[in-house]
Amino acid sequence: AQKITQTQPGMFVQEKEAVTLDCTYDTSDPSYGLFWYKQPSSGEMIFLIYQGSYDQQNATEGRYSLNFQKARKSANLVISASQLGDSAMYFCAMRGIRAAGNKLTFGGGTRVLVKP
Amino acid sequence: EPEVTQTPSHQVTQMGQEVILRCVPISNHLYFYWYRQILGQKVEFLVSFYNNEISEKSEIFDDQFSVERPDGSNFTLKIRSTKLEDSAMYFCASQRQGTNYGYTFGSGTRLTVV
Repeated sequence: AQKITQTQPGMFVQEKEAVTLDCTYDTSDPSYGLFWYKQPSSGEMIFLIYQGSYDQQNATEGRYSLNFQKARKSANLVISASQLGDSAMYFCAMRGIRAAGNKLTFGGGTRVLVKP
Repeated sequence: EPEVTQTPSHQVTQMGQEVILRCVPISNHLYFYWYRQILGQKVEFLVSFYNNEISEKSEIFDDQFSVERPDGSNFTLKIRSTKLEDSAMYFCASQRQGTNYGYTFGSGTRLTVV
């Protein structure tokens, strides 16, 4: 079974500063993928970034980067230069490549509030 | 950019009534999913669908739930006899074949059972 843990229920961050959102995972799958999604107050799920377990480099997408530490089973999201529009709920999720149906397993989320 | 479309965006129903939530996945996607999110809680997997059949389902997806792809474009989730605890946001997602990622979520249907 797969498990995702996000230990920070909520965080404040000052505008223009960087913020790190923690995510740890547990899986028995030899190959897996890790995702981060943003959920603003409007409710939709917005894909941010993906990291494959065998990727050599940490993933980056614009202001988003993923600090992947495989031995520690962590996949922390770093948002640089925070903007007011970054205020949202952030979910870490995992997909086991071997898993039938390719489902995603989500963590409990971290609510980020960016202060001006 | 292609989208996954869900209708309705919000539905209110009486306890015990049947509801059908509708989704139009991206046309060249082959894997389809339903997830739900009870207010303030995490997103939970319900069911995955591939090649016109269920490929995996969770414990939540009991006999009250069913999925269909009736016409090759729509993907529906039916709840036969709604309970108060079915109140949640329901997300449809689709994924194209040959990728480890590439999931696209719809905007969700907020179901309120009264």
